[in-house]
Amino acid sequence: AQRVTQPEKLLSVFKGAPVELKCNYSYSGSPELFWYVQYSRQRLQLLLRHISRESIKGFTADLNKGETSFHLKKPFAQEEDSAMYYCALSGFQGAQKLVFGQGTRLTINP
Amino acid sequence: EAGVTQSPTHLIKTRGQQATLRCSPISGHTSVYWYQQALGLGLQFLLWYDEGEERNRGNFPPRFSGRQFPNYSSELNVNALELEDSALYLCASSRGLNTGELFFGEGSRLTVL
Repeated sequence: AQRVTQPEKLLSVFKGAPVELKCNYSYSGSPELFWYVQYSRQRLQLLLRHISRESIKGFTADLNKGETSFHLKKPFAQEEDSAMYYCALSGFQGAQKLVFGQGTRLTINP
Repeated sequence: EAGVTQSPTHLIKTRGQQATLRCSPISGHTSVYWYQQALGLGLQFLLWYDEGEERNRGNFPPRFSGRQFPNYSSELNVNALELEDSALYLCASSRGLNTGELFFGEGSRLTVL
């Protein structure tokens, strides 16, 4: 079974401080992990995927298969990063549904 | 390029009634997904259609059903509505299988009284 856990419902940091949003997963096969973001009054949208190994808006995420984690990090938070963040998982091969965690609301304080 | 569109935006029903929600995917997308976002529960996977076939189903009772039409649009039907069905129902589409990148609509807010 696919399961995604985001232990923090709320996270608040100051502008310029580092931010880390935690994501742990459970999946018996080879996973593909994603981070989705929903800014205020906007649609839910893809932020990044582990297979791309790229930095988007200063965010990075590394898949750690040993710890079954896919934490999202940014060294210096900006106020426009305030949003709802969802970690998501699907199977790497074959048609697999995309399962989401419960989300973390990130607030960047000025 | 038009995004995923959902209708209606809001829907109010009473217990026991039926609700039908509709979704039009982005042009060229063949897969449509339905998620339920109830208060405090995150996004719960409901249904996934591709090329007119149901690909996968979440842990929801059979009174949640849907279909995908030849033009790839989709509808979600919820029968015998219960109070706990009150939620935002999100539709998403993708270019096909295995992409992982879903494009979401703005959702349909269903309220059951």
